[in-house]
Formats: sequence, C-alpha cells, structure tokens
Amino acid sequence: DAGITQSPRHKVTETGTPVTLRCHQTENHRYMYWYRQDPGHGLRLIHYSYGVKDTDKGEVSDGYSVSRSKTEDFLLTLESATSSQTSVYFCATAGLADTDTQYFGPGTRLTVL
Amino acid sequence: GNSVTQMEGPVTLSEEAFLTINCTYTATGYPSLFWYVQYPGEGLQLLLKATKADDKGSNKGFEATYRKETTSFHLEKGSVQVSDSAVYFCALSDATGFQKLVFGTGTRLLVSP
Repeated sequence: DAGITQSPRHKVTETGTPVTLRCHQTENHRYMYWYRQDPGHGLRLIHYSYGVKDTDKGEVSDGYSVSRSKTEDFLLTLESATSSQTSVYFCATAGLADTDTQYFGPGTRLTVL
Repeated sequence: GNSVTQMEGPVTLSEEAFLTINCTYTATGYPSLFWYVQYPGEGLQLLLKATKADDKGSNKGFEATYRKETTSFHLEKGSVQVSDSAVYFCALSDATGFQKLVFGTGTRLLVSP
C-alpha cells in the first residue's frame, strides 16, 4: 500500500472558521485527489493535482481550495466552513507506473457545527 | 456526463452464499471500470479492475466482467465469508488522462455466520 496519511483524523469546528486538511504521501506519486464521502452520494471529487503547483477542480469544488507546493503534500482548505461541508474527506494518490490504481488514505471526519 | 449506478443496499447474506452486486454505467469513450472495497473505519482499497470490453477482473474470489453491450460491471463471488462484510463501490475513470474516478453510491454487504 502507498504510504498515505491524513491529518487531522477527526475535527470539530464552527461555521465560518477556516479549516485545512493535510494529505501526505511517501510514494512519490504524481497524481493526488481529494474526495468527500456522504451517505447516498458515494465519493465525489473535490479537487485534484497532476503535479507540483498543478491543480484543477472536480465535481464539487465550490467552497474549497487546494495547494500543492511539494510532491508529497496536498492541502485542502475550507475558507469559511459551513454545515454542508460536514463529511468524511479522503485523499488518494496515483503514480505514473499505474495511473489506473488510486490508493486512499484513512480519511478525516470533519464536523461543522 | 459519466455516471455509475449501483444496487441499493444493504445486501444481507449468510456465509457461503453467492453474491452479486449490480453495477451499470454511462460514459463517453472507453472508460476503465473498478470495484473498490471499504472496510469499517478505513479508506477504500482497489478490489479489481478491467480496462477494456470483455476483460474480467478478479481478486480474492471476486470477479467482474466488463460488458460493453449492457454497460455493466457486476461484482460476483461464489461463496462469501463474514470477513467480506464491507461497503463496495463501483467506479469508472474518465478519459481525460488524469484518471479521475466517478463512483457509485456504494453497496453495503453484511454476511452473517
């Protein structure tokens, strides 16, 4: 398995506060992704990155921004958290050798009160 | 746009029963198809995949065949075990080159002894 860690693993915050989630990988994978998982929706892509400083929007990007200043780290920021952003967030990576296979981190459970 | 439809769960089976989880897709081009599994409290893991029509993916006793004519990728296992209890996600990758995945809503499998 790819070494993917996410931090924090759990977070409770209040509406209107900024939140940053971190994804760290040790596999030197080029591609990184942020998904959210909600009941009845499966996983939906928020943003993805295809290289350092190269990012693009996914299906549900409103209210989220990302940054990737080095290969191993991909940050997801909620500029002003809302209750609708309460979810479980998963990071995933894929390498050039097997771009078909994404490896997932353990997830971050975020609750916005 | 691309989409994946899975059967609603939960699917409840006794140990050693036969499993089928239906998955159909809508896509432009020729996507790759995947089954991911999520055990309680964990991230997703790739279970199997198929990259072209008539390919059969298999792993750990699970199988799925890429059927272009019926746009389906049903998951099967001949004899389930209690340890197979998990949530199963069908997914497809788009053809953009960034391997973005589109997931179904997931099907929970519960296997009793």
